[in-house]
Amino acid sequence: GAVVSQHPSRVICKSGTSVKIECRSLDFQATTMFWYRQFPKQSLMLMATSNEGSKATYEQGVEKDKFLINHASLTLSTLTVTSAHPEDSSFYICSATSQGVLNNYGYTFGSGTRLTVV
Amino acid sequence: TQLLEQSPQFLSIQEGENLTVYCNSSSVFSSLQWYRQEPGEGPVLLVTVVTGGEVKKLKRLTFQFGDARKDSSLHITAAQPGDTGLYLCAGAGRDSSYKLIFGSGTRLLVRP
Repeated sequence: GAVVSQHPSRVICKSGTSVKIECRSLDFQATTMFWYRQFPKQSLMLMATSNEGSKATYEQGVEKDKFLINHASLTLSTLTVTSAHPEDSSFYICSATSQGVLNNYGYTFGSGTRLTVV
Repeated sequence: TQLLEQSPQFLSIQEGENLTVYCNSSSVFSSLQWYRQEPGEGPVLLVTVVTGGEVKKLKRLTFQFGDARKDSSLHITAAQPGDTGLYLCAGAGRDSSYKLIFGSGTRLLVRP
């Protein structure tokens, strides 16, 4: 089946530094990838949608200059949290789908990245 | 903005009891999915429903998609402690963005 690898699984960084999270589709080409943020005991909130080779589309209220998304290839999307602050601490999850290969509305999720900003 | 409301938000029941979780929206979705998530992990797909009125069964879990494709329900029969977790419904929009929007979630605790 389709597999999405997300790395790192956990990261602790100092306030003011930047952190990059990678999301890779291992056995399929992901034409579209999504980034979600999840606070404790809450649901997943969509942050942005990225399509390979084009600029990401951000949801309302998500700062595009703070959360930089790059989808340079059909198998890799990255989320960079710039100038991180403690309030950015959260669980970040990526998801990938392929419009061609994965039909039946298939979305594959990464295992998430726990970001702690100290 | 398409919003999905789940109810109840939290449910604590005794092993062996039945329960139903609801997922409602004012929007129409091309498909609706149910996921279960364990702490510190990504959500795991349980089922996808596509056709209005569709009913799918997965062992003790029964999923239904509303006729108008705006709502869905998850029914668990004879709940077990292993069913404990966060249950999430998620709807895919009818546009070309393929966005998957998650419901507010239902946290289920099944006590032995």
